[in-house]
Amino acid sequence: QVQLQESGPGLVKPSETLSLTCTISGDSISSYYWAWIRQSPGKGLEWIGYMQNSWRPTYSPSLQSRVTMSLDTSKNEFSLKVLSVTASDTGVYYCARLRAWYAAVVWGQGTTVTVAS
Amino acid sequence: FMLTQPHSLSESPGKTVTISCTRSSGSIASRHVQWYQQRPGSAPTTVIYEDEERPSGVSDRFSGSIDTSSNSASLTISGLKTEDEADYYCQSYDTNFWVFGGGTKLTVL
Repeated sequence: QVQLQESGPGLVKPSETLSLTCTISGDSISSYYWAWIRQSPGKGLEWIGYMQNSWRPTYSPSLQSRVTMSLDTSKNEFSLKVLSVTASDTGVYYCARLRAWYAAVVWGQGTTVTVAS
Repeated sequence: FMLTQPHSLSESPGKTVTISCTRSSGSIASRHVQWYQQRPGSAPTTVIYEDEERPSGVSDRFSGSIDTSSNSASLTISGLKTEDEADYYCQSYDTNFWVFGGGTKLTVL
């Protein structure tokens, strides 16, 4: 059974780069599309982007100038970087395995990120 | 496009509730709709994908449908249980982007 585990620094200073990792177990990262989704405190879900091993990542238009996603098939890890963070980047970040490129079907438990000095 | 959901709904245990998700432009039938359940303090889980498909392990009390006349998708939960109390989000997509609905807070009491 596939399991996804997000990890990250917890606290990031404004203007710095946020780096998160999603470690996948029980499945090959090469076989699927993967996505990052976040949730600001008390708010709804926001799609950040998705990628698959053989394809260029697709990012949300509102974030594409600041985000980068990558896959490490040797470690079975999926990563997210968000540049120049501000308080509005505070929230819980989830990785998800997709069905095709449009539906999240397996979710990680999420990792909380706070942007503060 | 946007996906609009009712902000909140309330129903009693054992009853049936339907949560709607209306697409603002473009046909609801043109792209699949997914539904995610998020219990308080927990990560989302998928209860419906591709309009009406249930992931393995999801109760058959959950069903999804689309209605082209109202350009909306619906999640129906029958035989409500207190454990169904959660936020529910619909989600769809178009070329190279996803859209989430704002979420519906379902109270079961």
